[in-house]
Amino acid sequence: KAGVTQTPRYLIKTRGQQVTLSCSPISGHRSVSWYQQTPGQGLQFLFEYFSETQRNKGNFPGRFSGRQFSNSRSEMNVSTLELGDSALYLCASSFAANYGYTFGSGTRLTVV
Amino acid sequence: AQTVTQSQPEMSVQEAETVTLSCTYDTSESNYYLFWYKQPPSRQMILVIRQEAYKQQNATENRFSVNFQKAAKSFSLKISDSQLGDTAMYFCAFRASTGNQFYFGTGTSLTVIP
Repeated sequence: KAGVTQTPRYLIKTRGQQVTLSCSPISGHRSVSWYQQTPGQGLQFLFEYFSETQRNKGNFPGRFSGRQFSNSRSEMNVSTLELGDSALYLCASSFAANYGYTFGSGTRLTVV
Repeated sequence: AQTVTQSQPEMSVQEAETVTLSCTYDTSESNYYLFWYKQPPSRQMILVIRQEAYKQQNATENRFSVNFQKAAKSFSLKISDSQLGDTAMYFCAFRASTGNQFYFGTGTSLTVIP
């Protein structure tokens, strides 16, 4: 059974550019969540999608957006990149609340 | 709002010894789930163990067990017979049964010393 797949693994972008990250959840998981992980802030919740609808959103500026497709695959987009956006972006899928998340390996974004 | 606190940023343990990682949480929810995740240097977050708040019995998974004290809002992780592969960051997490968001602690970096 395939796990949660995130692409790309690494990304280097310049300030002001935009970036799109992709996440394919485990088959059958309809909930997909995104987190930003940095050494100083830990894991911060970005948003959660379920059946193509955003169910929950964290406290991030509007430059951070996402969407989910009918096959449950999800993308997140960051526009007008800032140096502070450099982080590990983790995607996680879930079957049900009590089962916990299954995480992908993350995308390491570096903004220069 | 829910908060999760891990008060031990770093810990170390000798191989084959036992170590306990602490986690406390704050919530007004009556039913919820608690989790411990492990993140090794490979950065893949792995679910170690989970506990349902309505169950009084502490969860165990092989060498990993929890001490769940609901009244004290405490959820510690005990690792027995520590192995080198246990070296990782460990995150405690909370999810309300009615909510869609997980709340994570700041993590404890565990090093197993050979």
